[in-house]
Amino acid sequence: AQSVTQPDIHITVSEGASLELRCNYSYGATPYLFWYVQSPGQGLQLLLKYFSGDTLVQGIKGFEAEFKRSQSSFNLRKPSVHWSDAAEYFCAVNRDDKIIFGKGTRLHILP
Amino acid sequence: DTAVSQTPKYLVTQMGNDKSIKCEQNLGHDTMYWYKQDSKKFLKIMFSYNNKELIINETVPNRFSPKSPDKAHLNLHINSLELGDSAVYFCASSQVQPSGELFFGEGSRLTVL
Repeated sequence: AQSVTQPDIHITVSEGASLELRCNYSYGATPYLFWYVQSPGQGLQLLLKYFSGDTLVQGIKGFEAEFKRSQSSFNLRKPSVHWSDAAEYFCAVNRDDKIIFGKGTRLHILP
Repeated sequence: DTAVSQTPKYLVTQMGNDKSIKCEQNLGHDTMYWYKQDSKKFLKIMFSYNNKELIINETVPNRFSPKSPDKAHLNLHINSLELGDSAVYFCASSQVQPSGELFFGEGSRLTVL
């Protein structure tokens, strides 16, 4: 069963514009949720994670994400993107002690 | 110092050959993983070892055999390579289960001709 859904395969935003990448999960228990970023030719780097507590989570590089249990969502946001943010973004959930990844969203930045 | 390092970074080989990828982590983590990333960037877990013991073995062909000589190393050997094995293979490690924050290597791109 699909645990993590990223509905957008590609997203294009202009440099300086705000960004929101969507992620929905399907998991009965309280999930551990993650966002990772993959730059071209690189491995994945953790941006932020949610385990419990405050539903608004701050991460590295100016990213934040909000956990909404009622919507089963964990969307990633950034108020103003930079050209260096162009990358692949993966939402992930810890399910049965395995990290399951969504299919990723490719972020393109227009100058 | 690279936290999780994989070698080689690139492999190009013919169908039917055998190849190995090595992974080492210097983070002191207990758990190591192999993930496969296909051409559509989809990441799928293959194996996980905790302190040299296999704990996750997804539905992976028997041609794939992981080995963990110690908790800092996890190797992947692939026999009788097929075209569909072409992918990027990522090694990762984590310290705490079940939080599972993963630290990834840079990947090993395998091309089977």
